[in-house]
Amino acid sequence: AQSVTQLGSHVSVSEGALVLLRCNYSSSVPPYLFWYVQYPNQGLQLLLKYTSAATLVKGINGFEAEFKKSETSFHLTKPSAHMSDAAEYFCAVSVPMDSSYKLIFGSGTRLLVRP
Amino acid sequence: DGGITQSPKYLFRKEGQNVTLSCEQNLNHDAMYWYRQDPGQGLRLIYYSQIVNDFQKGDIAEGYSVSREKKESFPLTVTSAQKNPTAFYLCASSSLRRQAYGYTFGSGTRLTVV
Repeated sequence: AQSVTQLGSHVSVSEGALVLLRCNYSSSVPPYLFWYVQYPNQGLQLLLKYTSAATLVKGINGFEAEFKKSETSFHLTKPSAHMSDAAEYFCAVSVPMDSSYKLIFGSGTRLLVRP
Repeated sequence: DGGITQSPKYLFRKEGQNVTLSCEQNLNHDAMYWYRQDPGQGLRLIYYSQIVNDFQKGDIAEGYSVSREKKESFPLTVTSAQKNPTAFYLCASSSLRRQAYGYTFGSGTRLTVV
């Protein structure tokens, strides 16, 4: 069965430090992968996506993610954390459903940024 | 601008009442979804619809009902049978033909039982 695993429900970094949020997936077909960000009391906003083009994907707000097929991973990184990056982050994989597809979401990682 | 609109943003329900959450999209998306979000539990799928007048149960459909009379609208009713309705509810939509685009989400409705 297809699934998404996000390691660490909470990650805490200092402002200016590297951000690394981990995501591993299982899929029986070449996947489409997504990272979403959610700020408090708001909906989910697309950060970036992998759609089988470049394996290193750049997104909004300075985030990027690298698709590694051999490791079935799609980790999210940002070189220097900013206070405004504090939010919850969800990784998702697109899987076949009926005649179409659906997204399966990870359980989320809350990023805390210390001053 | 195209988007997905949820209303109201905050909703209070008394015990035993049914309440309806609105979700409207003008993205011409085929599919629409309802998720429930509780602290520390990620997103749980309640119902989804891929075509007008048809919808499917998700993982936690008990105590909820939906309708899809128009492509643009997918309202969710939280019935009195839902014993613990206090949560954050998210509506989403997607194009069935454009898998690479993922889902577009509304801004959510926070429902509280008083």
